[in-house]
Amino acid sequence: QVQLVQSGAEVKKPGASVKVSCKASGYTLTSYYMHWMRQAPGQGLEWMGLIDPSGGNTRYAQNLQGRVTMTRDTSSSIVYMELSSLRSEDTAVYYCARRYCSSTNCYFDYWGQGTLVTVSS
Amino acid sequence: AIQMTQSPSSLSASAGDRVTITCRASQGVRNALGWYQQRPGKAPNLLIYDASNLQSGVPSRFSGSGSGTDFTLTISSLQPEDVATYYCLQDYNYPWTFGQGTKVEIK
Repeated sequence: QVQLVQSGAEVKKPGASVKVSCKASGYTLTSYYMHWMRQAPGQGLEWMGLIDPSGGNTRYAQNLQGRVTMTRDTSSSIVYMELSSLRSEDTAVYYCARRYCSSTNCYFDYWGQGTLVTVSS
Repeated sequence: AIQMTQSPSSLSASAGDRVTITCRASQGVRNALGWYQQRPGKAPNLLIYDASNLQSGVPSRFSGSGSGTDFTLTISSLQPEDVATYYCLQDYNYPWTFGQGTKVEIK
């Protein structure tokens, strides 16, 4: 069965970087794009960006350009999301989500369990 | 970016009630809209894709409708396990954008 398992919670100081992993199992990583979303405490969901695990191409939300980097390790079926220059507003739960596409439609069918990143001095 | 506006932001209804949540897009998204349920402390879960298609395994009391800019999620008979926050998501173009969420509670 398809599973996305994310790395554990992180506590970082302002200005530091964090790298969150998302390990995919039950399917071939390179078959579907992976997206990242985040959710600040008590807030709604925000789309951060995507990576095509096949070629490594990425696309990021404009407000995160220059601070976010998404990469993948196809041999290990893992995608990574790294966020740099952390500030308190980056405190959130971060999710990876598989974007399944058939010939007729696309949707986010599997999500990771979430990784809490806390930015605090 | 396409703005997604959900209403209401919260609602309280009795078990067995019919519940309707609406989502309006700032520009047309055809039928590229999904509905997601998020229970407290959990990851979002897909309910409806392409505006009206029920995801496999989702109870049939959930349904979706709409096209273009106006969409609706309906729960035909609210159950205690439906307590959650519901989000619409436009899947039409970059950047993907969510509605602000509707928190559903049981009276």
